[in-house]
Amino acid sequence: DTGVSQNPRHKITKRGQNVTFRCDPISEHNRLYWYRQTLGQGPEFLTYFQNEAQLEKSRLLSDRFSAERPKGSFSTLEIQRTEQGDSAMYLCASSPLAGAGEQFFGPGTRLTVL
Amino acid sequence: AQTVTQSQPEMSVQEAETVTLSCTYDTSENNYYLFWYKQPPSRQMILVIRQEAYKQQNATENRFSVNFQKAAKSFSLKISDSQLGDTAMYFCAFMKRGGIQGAQKLVFGQGTRLTINP
Repeated sequence: DTGVSQNPRHKITKRGQNVTFRCDPISEHNRLYWYRQTLGQGPEFLTYFQNEAQLEKSRLLSDRFSAERPKGSFSTLEIQRTEQGDSAMYLCASSPLAGAGEQFFGPGTRLTVL
Repeated sequence: AQTVTQSQPEMSVQEAETVTLSCTYDTSENNYYLFWYKQPPSRQMILVIRQEAYKQQNATENRFSVNFQKAAKSFSLKISDSQLGDTAMYFCAFMKRGGIQGAQKLVFGQGTRLTINP
């Protein structure tokens, strides 16, 4: 399977714990995006990488959130001191540098904070 | 900032019927893309159709077509001969067309839950 993969698919944690999610984009894609989707809503942009450079961060990304893409390949999204409001689906997408705008989405990581 | 509005939270039609999903957006940009994405139940989001703002011709992909009205900032999706597999959440999305380091994020609407009944 050469699509975008995300791990874990589901994560249940207690409030106050730290969690980390991983995204592996399509191998030749330079751009990688993180979105958050709450139940019944459209995805909201969190952050965007071009290769290893983090080029844009949403105001939704509080100080408790950090994302990295150290070698321009896979990316991690860490949430520290989780809160119940962090419960959501976290989606990763990737796209090539030269393309017609389409982003290819992974299956998402569903986070539940108890 | 751009906003995307989908005014139909849910729609339901019979198999083989034609259905139109509405989307309006607000932007001051002149160069952008518009998309319709489909998110089937418990499955990942996939692209249905794409429209470049500078193209006047409406995009079509098999049974899917759009009605792009740039001046009205409207971008509706028509699904012809609907099939059971079309049951999904449908999201309208906007992307500003930027340079190498320009904004590439998608701005999504709230979604329309479409059910195709047998």
